[in-house]
Amino acid sequence: DTAVSQTPKYLVTQMGNDKSIKCEQNLGHDTMYWYKQDSKKFLKIMFSYNNKELIINETVPNRFSPKSPDKAHLNLHINSLELGDSAVYFCASSKSPQGASGNTIYFGEGSWLTVV
Amino acid sequence: GEDVEQSLFLSVREGDSSVINCTYTDSSSTYLYWYKQEPGAGLQLLTYIFSNMDMKQDQRLTVLLNKKDKHLSLRIADTQTGDSAIYFCAEMTTDSWGKFQFGAGTQVVVTP
Repeated sequence: DTAVSQTPKYLVTQMGNDKSIKCEQNLGHDTMYWYKQDSKKFLKIMFSYNNKELIINETVPNRFSPKSPDKAHLNLHINSLELGDSAVYFCASSKSPQGASGNTIYFGEGSWLTVV
Repeated sequence: GEDVEQSLFLSVREGDSSVINCTYTDSSSTYLYWYKQEPGAGLQLLTYIFSNMDMKQDQRLTVLLNKKDKHLSLRIADTQTGDSAIYFCAEMTTDSWGKFQFGAGTQVVVTP
């Protein structure tokens, strides 16, 4: 069973469209994250939620809106898609939002978004 | 990503050992990670080490940390073709949990 699963894995869409990427974790973790991996492979955090509450909100356009209906799910909705939004988006989760022994971050398989 | 640096490419023959190097900048309490990404796949956590450790071994993987030089290495013993992938070094401080600093990744190609 996949621990952190995201759908869809591949998404090709036109500029201006609105799309969502869904994420679910079955690890019983309290904290979930969205990361963006750009074309140069650098990975940057976008958002983090702990028990459905937003705790990290990096400088991300307002067109990106995360939603956490419960602590096992964190969805990413993107409005008015632009060419520059093309990237791989990774969902991740960890037991807690603090650095501590035994706490680490597990990533999903990634969602490849292409905006044309 | 510019705070964590890695060489971009490594070619190794099957059966040999691979050593992937990484330098980082933060000197506070830090976790240092190695992730593996195969083509079209997600990030797989290989191993991690806390900055108060010098070494960690896990089967074919050995992580060495030189805190003075802020240098981290990953050694893969008996490298196999399935080890061909991009390997990312990443650091994260306990004060900035979740905010990884990833390197650009080292492309490892294993030849028969």
